[in-house]
Amino acid sequence: QLQLQESGPGLVKPSETLSLTCTVSGGSISSSSYYWGWIRQPPGKGLEWIGSIYYSGSTYYNPSLKSRVTISVDTSKNQFSLKLSSVTAADTAVYYCARQTIAARTIDYWGQGTLVTVSS
Amino acid sequence: QSALTQPASVSGSPGQSITISCTGTSSDVGGYNYVSWYQQHPGKAPKLMIYDVSNRPSGVSNRFSGSKSGNTASLTISGLQAEDEADYYCSSYTSSSSFVFGTGTKVTVL
Repeated sequence: QLQLQESGPGLVKPSETLSLTCTVSGGSISSSSYYWGWIRQPPGKGLEWIGSIYYSGSTYYNPSLKSRVTISVDTSKNQFSLKLSSVTAADTAVYYCARQTIAARTIDYWGQGTLVTVSS
Repeated sequence: QSALTQPASVSGSPGQSITISCTGTSSDVGGYNYVSWYQQHPGKAPKLMIYDVSNRPSGVSNRFSGSKSGNTASLTISGLQAEDEADYYCSSYTSSSSFVFGTGTKVTVL
């Protein structure tokens, strides 16, 4: 059974960089059938797609966040990571990592999510 | 990119059918058959309920069905049950090779 687990600091100061890692178990991140992505959800609000990466390193980002986002992959560790720079309070959210199918362009597996708060 | 438009809330009595709409543009919902629907209970991660407009993943009840007409997709829940009370989000692939989610709909079982 595929599992995704987010890890990283739960508190980040304004103007600093938010960094999260997603560890994939029960399956290979190097599969040709999937992208690996990040989605966030501010408290009490809706979902926002941040971006995704293929095992080869090809990336796709939300145009509204593209200037601040970097997603990378480490196939040797079966992990992928998110960096979001110059954070503000508006970036406070539950961050989910997820698997996206290429064929159906859908998200079929989600991590449990991790709350990141931006505050001094 | 703008979020897809969903009604804020929909309610129904047990056993009834309800429909949630998801309106986008020709650059997302109307342009691709890559519309998905997710169910999210409080404090939980979303769960995939429908993909490719109308396909159900294995294990999802056949009480859930999806359709699309033009720039608007719809999710119908028939035989409404108490366990269906949750937030529902649509999503679509877009012409900029990105994804966009809907604004979300709270379903209440009366």
